[in-house]
Amino acid sequence: ETGVTQTPRHLVMGMTNKKSLKCEQHLGHNAMYWYKQSAKKPLELMFVYNFKEQTENNSVPSRFSPECPNSSHLFLHLHTLQPEDSALYLCASSPQGSYNEQFFGPGTRLTVL
Amino acid sequence: RKEVEQDPGPFNVPEGATVAFNCTYSNSASQSFFWYRQDCRKEPKLLMSVYSSGNEDGRFTAQLNRASQYISLLIRDSKLSDSATYLCVVQPRAGGSYIPTFGRGTSLIVHP
Repeated sequence: ETGVTQTPRHLVMGMTNKKSLKCEQHLGHNAMYWYKQSAKKPLELMFVYNFKEQTENNSVPSRFSPECPNSSHLFLHLHTLQPEDSALYLCASSPQGSYNEQFFGPGTRLTVL
Repeated sequence: RKEVEQDPGPFNVPEGATVAFNCTYSNSASQSFFWYRQDCRKEPKLLMSVYSSGNEDGRFTAQLNRASQYISLLIRDSKLSDSATYLCVVQPRAGGSYIPTFGRGTSLIVHP
């Protein structure tokens, strides 16, 4: 596989469930990102990892917990979510540095009941 | 003031038209700028980077005005396939890391 992949593509969960989103990049990049995209709102950066180290946490509630075991994999662990957390969750990767584009995965469409 | 502002549109234009989008940003320390394209229910993909001297890629021209803190995207000879949402992205440097900030996007609809 090439590029950035995300699983699952769709997820429906109750507020008491625990689930995890997975992202994998095959591009040899050093930076990985989690974004949230809600209807009629701009992409919201959630977390940034550079060389497996979390460098940014954009005031994200603790019910979202990221994990980056290596430079190619990124997880987002979810627990006790709220209905307003329903959104498209996008993973992206880039070579380190500001002058580089980001490559996005197809996203996970999350619905919280 | 929002960090990155775009007119959400939609811009509804006929095939062959020329259309321009603007994007303003509030952080004067911003260092790099991009336009991404996002098709309906798809992920964003890079359309072009925006350089200080301006740059052109076929029918697409991007320009940067640092003094007024805006970037623009011009699309000439619009095609039906140009219909999408165009996202402006600004990346300031903050403490050694690079935090991208997206605008909410401008919707373009090209009709026959």
